[in-house]
Amino acid sequence: NAGVTQTPKFQVLKTGQSMTLQCAQDMNHEYMSWYRQDPGMGLRLIHYSVGAGITDQGEVPNGYNVSRSTTEDFPLRLLSAAPSQTSVYFCASSYSRMGAGGPSYEQYFGPGTRLTVT
Amino acid sequence: KNEVEQSPQNLTAQEGEFITINCSYSVGISALHWLQQHPGGGIVSLFMLSSGKKKHGRLIATINIQEKHSSLHITASHPRDSAVYICAVRSNDMRFGAGTRLTVKP
Repeated sequence: NAGVTQTPKFQVLKTGQSMTLQCAQDMNHEYMSWYRQDPGMGLRLIHYSVGAGITDQGEVPNGYNVSRSTTEDFPLRLLSAAPSQTSVYFCASSYSRMGAGGPSYEQYFGPGTRLTVT
Repeated sequence: KNEVEQSPQNLTAQEGEFITINCSYSVGISALHWLQQHPGGGIVSLFMLSSGKKKHGRLIATINIQEKHSSLHITASHPRDSAVYICAVRSNDMRFGAGTRLTVKP
């Protein structure tokens, strides 16, 4: 299994440009999410999806769109890039299971995309 | 105030020392995760806890649901343990602490 893959690894955009960050997973996980990581702050949830065709907003959704047409793919679109969107972006997938000991969740992260908006 | 607070922010230890990183949270949770972020940026999940204690090798994680507090312990620390350790809680969604940067010197 490749796990969670993200492309590109690095990207530089000019203000106002649009782009799509790609994320794919091959573990058949129902739950996928996008986070941004900024210096001195914890990871913050941008958007998430609990299954194909279902997406919802996280803590910091403004300026980003997502779609989930398949279980495997969860692209993040920047509509009109702004310098405030300079960050490292992580995609993650996870599953949840109910076992005898209670709920179990396991989350897998992609390698990250470092985005700079000038 | 963040919903998830970690302490300390930075920690430097000598090889072999016992290390404790703390995490306090203010929301109701269904689970708490400890993650490790390597210097290269990759993030891996170390533990998922909903109660009690878990142990993997030299790593031990505990959680006290009533006190809304968790600790991550590393026994016999080694330079390869140098990383950022992140506490995350699962409530309506995932909320993350800012991380603890650990440096273990040989």
